[in-house]
Amino acid sequence: SQTIHQWPATLVQPVGSPLSLECTVEGTSNPNLYWYRQAAGRGLQLLFYSIGIDQISSEVPQNLSASRPQDRQFILSSKKLLLSDSGFYLCAWRWTDYTEAFFGQGTRLTVV
Amino acid sequence: AQTVTQSQPEMSVQEAETVTLSCTYDTSESNYYLFWYKQPPSRQMILVIRQEAYKQQNATENRFSVNFQKAAKSFSLKISDSQLGDTAMYFCAFANFGNEKLTFGTGTRLTIIP
Repeated sequence: SQTIHQWPATLVQPVGSPLSLECTVEGTSNPNLYWYRQAAGRGLQLLFYSIGIDQISSEVPQNLSASRPQDRQFILSSKKLLLSDSGFYLCAWRWTDYTEAFFGQGTRLTVV
Repeated sequence: AQTVTQSQPEMSVQEAETVTLSCTYDTSESNYYLFWYKQPPSRQMILVIRQEAYKQQNATENRFSVNFQKAAKSFSLKISDSQLGDTAMYFCAFANFGNEKLTFGTGTRLTIIP
């Protein structure tokens, strides 16, 4: 069976500090991977998606970046966090473009 | 660009009643997929139901059913015999065939009142 792991579960970081959120999928190969951010009143905002190693599409041009160093690993990063980066971050994977997405447990990020 | 609109930020209904959540989307494609997800207080995203645009028959999953109106680009979710455990945020999502992007709406917060 397939599982998705996302960590950490919660994170409190000062403004200007770096960020690294990690997501890994087990039990499948070459999944489509996604990073979403959930903020109050804005639903699930798609940040990045990836169809393969080094194939990453950005939906939101901000101070965030994503990398996929391995087939089943997806990392969300920032060099300098802003207060507006606070939110709930969700990683997800899909088999193909027509299947549903499976989500990780999420990371609550608070930038102080 | 594909967009998904959920015009009801919050709804509440008495237990055992039926409730319908609205969702509209915008696309120029003819083949696509639609999903409803539930996010309970635990914040774990759970798939409720999915619909393929090429299928005319509305999808159903136990107490959950959809009303898919392709011409109107509408995809509403009906919850019958609502239960306390249905209290959650509900998100509508859209994906074009051949496109890996999965777009979500802003969500509807549903509260089931005992």
